[in-house]
Amino acid sequence: QVQLVQSGADVKKPGASVKVSCKASGYTFTSYGLHWVRQAPGQGLEWMGWINVGNGDTNYSPKFQGRVTISRDTSATRGYMEVNMDLSSLTSQDTAVYYCAREGASGYDFEYWGQGTLVTVSS
Amino acid sequence: QSALTQPASVSGSPGQSITISCTGTGSDVGGYNYVSWYQQHPGKAPKLMIYEVTNRPSGVSNRFSGSKSGNTASLTISGLQAEDEAHYYCSSYTRSPPLGVVFGGGTKLTVL
Repeated sequence: QVQLVQSGADVKKPGASVKVSCKASGYTFTSYGLHWVRQAPGQGLEWMGWINVGNGDTNYSPKFQGRVTISRDTSATRGYMEVNMDLSSLTSQDTAVYYCAREGASGYDFEYWGQGTLVTVSS
Repeated sequence: QSALTQPASVSGSPGQSITISCTGTGSDVGGYNYVSWYQQHPGKAPKLMIYEVTNRPSGVSNRFSGSKSGNTASLTISGLQAEDEAHYYCSSYTRSPPLGVVFGGGTKLTVL
């Protein structure tokens, strides 16, 4: 069965970066794109970006362009999402649960989700 | 990218039907049949309920149905059950940026 297993929770200081991994199994990894979605505490879902796992092409939401890097390792069937914390903010605006999600039939729906990774930003 | 517009909350009694709306623009909901709906229970990952406006993934109850008219998509849940109480999010492909996705703000469904 399709499974996406993400790395564990992490705590970071403002100005640091964090890299979340997503281990895929149960399907041909290179045949489906991988999206990343975040959810701040008590808030809604926010699309961050996407990677074509087959050829490595990426596309990012304008909000995250330049701050987020999405990548993959096809030999390890893992996807990655790295966020550089906002240096200009002393709040915890990047504190959120980060999800990876495998695309579905249309390519723009998210058929399978990881369990989520809580990243806490705190000074 | 502006979020799609959903009502903050809806409610209904067991057995009743409810509809959740999702309003966008011609650049997203109105321009493409790539609207999806997700159910999220507290502390859980979202679950795909509807894709491509009207299609249900395998295993999703036929009590859930989707539709679209113009720039507004809708999710209808018939025969409400207690376990349907959750947050529901719509999403759509958007052409700005290309190959982008935008979500609605979410709707809390309360089963009375």
